[in-house]
This record gives sequence, C-alpha cells and structure tokens, in this order.
Amino acid sequence: EPEVTQTPSHQVTQMGQEVILRCVPISNHLYFYWYRQILGQKVEFLVSFYNNEISEKSEIFDDQFSVERPDGSNFTLKIRSTKLEDSAMYFCASSDRGAYEQYFGPGTRLTVT
Amino acid sequence: AQKVTQAQTEISVVEKEDVTLDCVYETRDTTYYLFWYKQPPSGELVFLIRRNSFDEQNEISGRYSWNFQKSTSSFNFTITASQVVDSAVYFCALSEGGNQGGKLIFGQGTELSVKP
Repeated sequence: EPEVTQTPSHQVTQMGQEVILRCVPISNHLYFYWYRQILGQKVEFLVSFYNNEISEKSEIFDDQFSVERPDGSNFTLKIRSTKLEDSAMYFCASSDRGAYEQYFGPGTRLTVT
Repeated sequence: AQKVTQAQTEISVVEKEDVTLDCVYETRDTTYYLFWYKQPPSGELVFLIRRNSFDEQNEISGRYSWNFQKSTSSFNFTITASQVVDSAVYFCALSEGGNQGGKLIFGQGTELSVKP
C-alpha cells in the first residue's frame, strides 16, 4: 500500500539554525501539505501546495518557512532560522484531490534547543 | 469562520463498552467535508472516514459508526464493543469545499483510553 514517508524521524537543532524536513508523498497525488503538532495539542495547518505553487498558507507560515518540490518525488519544508517555539511534530500529507482525504506521513519530531 | 469543537478532552472506558466521540463544526460553506483521524500512541495520523456535506447517510464500518447531522452541525463517532487497541487520540477535521487547497481544520482531539 502506498504511503507518505518523512525523513528524518527526529531532528535536534540549535536555535537560529536552518533545518530542512523532507517528505515523499504518494506518487500519484497532486496536493501536498505540511502540518505541525505541538506536544499534546491539536494538529495545525501550515501550508498547501499544488501545481508547483503554494495554494494557501496559515499565519504560522511566515517568512522563516518555505516549501519546495525540487524534483518529481520530494516535498520539503525549510525553516530558515529556528526558534524554540518551532519545536513540534511536523507532518507531511498528500491527497489526490483537494478537499478530499489526506494521507499523512509518520512525522518528523523537531527539537530546537 | 470555520471551527471544529471536540468538547470531550479525555474518555476512559472498560473494554467491550460502547463509546461515542462528539464533534461539532462551524462553517459558512454549503459544500464541505468532514473527517475523522486516529492518532495511536506511536504518533502517526490514520485516516478513518470522509463525509461530504451533501450526504447525510450514516456509515458503519465494522465496530465503527458515524452519525452526521447537518441540523446540529455534528459528526459523531461511535465505537461499539471497544478494545484496548482503540486507545488513541481521535481528531475530527473539516475541509471547506470552496477551498481548493483543501486544508484540514482539526479539533482539539479526544483521548480515548480503553482499559482491559
């Protein structure tokens, strides 16, 4: 069964450093998403991506964040200068149609120290 | 404004009990989609069901059933004869049809603990 994969599973970084979180969506999907979940809290939308551009982004997704689909398989989230409050689980998701069910990867736990 | 409310933060039941998880949503769109996701202790998010706003038919899948009522803006989830493996956090989510990007708006989640 196709699945979304994410690497690394856990990333520890120092405040101010840049991190890149990587995702490989399900191969025939066209819509890609990043969400985050601070420990013990709800899942929050960050950004959606379709047809090689951002469809929508939340208030959380400020200038420190960027997304890219550098090739036909990877989808990345970059945080330019990490802050302590960026510590969270980051989930990538993909869907074959907008507004339909999204399939999530296992997540990357980001710890900023 | 769109919003999903799961008023039950934690529920604890004994195995074989039935349990209902409540979900109330708010949206101005006439076309929207509702979802339930399961987050077991391992942390991944597992898709359970999608319901379209124009289809109020209830659905049953094994021990799981869902009751969608537009009149009360609710989309409740019932687990019949609960099992220890059902222990997880369950999230209800909303996607608005006019939003082509399809972002999901999640509720706060209900942590279900099923004890043997």
